[in-house]
Amino acid sequence: LAKTTQPISMDSYEGQEVNITCSHNNIATNDYITWYQQFPSQGPRFIIQGYKTKVTNEVASLFIPADRKSSTLSLPRVSLSDTAVYYCLVGDGVSGGYNKLIFGAGTRLAVHP
Amino acid sequence: NAGVTQTPKFRVLKTGQSMTLLCAQDMNHEYMYWYRQDPGMGLRLIHYSVGEGTTAKGEVPDGYNVSRLKKQNFLLGLESAAPSQTSVYFCASSYRDRYEQYFGPGTRLTVT
Repeated sequence: LAKTTQPISMDSYEGQEVNITCSHNNIATNDYITWYQQFPSQGPRFIIQGYKTKVTNEVASLFIPADRKSSTLSLPRVSLSDTAVYYCLVGDGVSGGYNKLIFGAGTRLAVHP
Repeated sequence: NAGVTQTPKFRVLKTGQSMTLLCAQDMNHEYMYWYRQDPGMGLRLIHYSVGEGTTAKGEVPDGYNVSRLKKQNFLLGLESAAPSQTSVYFCASSYRDRYEQYFGPGTRLTVT
């Protein structure tokens, strides 16, 4: 199973850009990279998913280098409401009979005024 | 669209009691999942289903059973609750694999 490594916590200030890097050295050819956000007392919420290069949506950007051994979630101009836990997941879903989407401990992002 | 709903929101059980958690989704999703989340930790997959009438074990299935008799519902059962099963339980659904999972609000279970 592909294992991910993320920083345990990060601090930022309102208006800054935040980059959270995830390491996944043993990513498999069919694996996708997915990021989720979780607020206290809520279920996780999907942010973005990618396979290679760069993906951008209205919330964030995801940068994936050519070797795909890491990925970086970029949150532009964060606000206090972006304070949450961010999870990086690597897997190809349930193919092969087992769901490889493993949630690690995530990165706790604290945004300060 | 209500999305994914979970019943109940809170529950306190005594060791040895049984209970069933209900998850319902109105998005016509094929895949459904049950996770548990312990304090300060990520989510761990208990069981999942890739379609009506099918179930499969996840990362931590021991002590739990599931059923998917209807496409929109996924039930999680605890036959004999133990204090180690005190946790927050999340249900999720997705259209297929690789698609984003939609999560319910969670059920906070305490076993004394």
